[in-house]
Amino acid sequence: EVQLVESGGGLVKPGGSLRLSCAASGFTFTNAWMSWVRQAPGKGLEWLGRIKSKTDGGTADYAAPVKGRFSISRDDSENTVYLQMNNLKTEDTALYYCTTLGLDYWGQGTLVTVSS
Amino acid sequence: DVVMTQSPLSLPVTLGQPASISCRSSQSLVHSDGNNYLSWFQQRPGQSPRRLIYKGSTRDSGVPDRFSGSGSGTDFTLKISRVEAEDVGVYYCMQGTHWPRTFGQGTKVEIK
Repeated sequence: EVQLVESGGGLVKPGGSLRLSCAASGFTFTNAWMSWVRQAPGKGLEWLGRIKSKTDGGTADYAAPVKGRFSISRDDSENTVYLQMNNLKTEDTALYYCTTLGLDYWGQGTLVTVSS
Repeated sequence: DVVMTQSPLSLPVTLGQPASISCRSSQSLVHSDGNNYLSWFQQRPGQSPRRLIYKGSTRDSGVPDRFSGSGSGTDFTLKISRVEAEDVGVYYCMQGTHWPRTFGQGTKVEIK
């Protein structure tokens, strides 16, 4: 059974940083391209970025609102993908989901609140 | 970026009646491999999204056959043949042909 479990959310001040983790199981993680999607309270879904598998180069690409502030990385030895978020803004407040590339599997999300 | 526009944004339906949601893209979603990478997602209240349909019309495993997807190019439709109480929630389309991926605004389905 595929499982994606996000963690690392919490309350952070504007300008601060946070690193989210997503532990994956139930599939061959090393071959998987992974994505992050967020949902602000009461709002729709926003795709943030994705990271390729190491065999496909391991590079990441990002949506414009987070490019330069967020970065995605992976540790295949731990079956974990990360979302490093820097220079956080109040508009980054959202539930952050880890997903497989095709968004066929989702985690339960981890809540990030950016507030002074 | 490709803009995805859904209509209607709110859809009150009667149990047992059909429902239809439209999704239009600002650019063609026909990929160089010939596929239309358009997915539909259901988000029930308090739950994570769940993919229902991919490549425009292929149902995911376990998705009831009352859900169907159709369309090509820039115009796509999700149909529910007979709405059940468990279908209440918000439905999103998403294009997977162009980077970055983009979602529609969401359509809230509720029971009359």
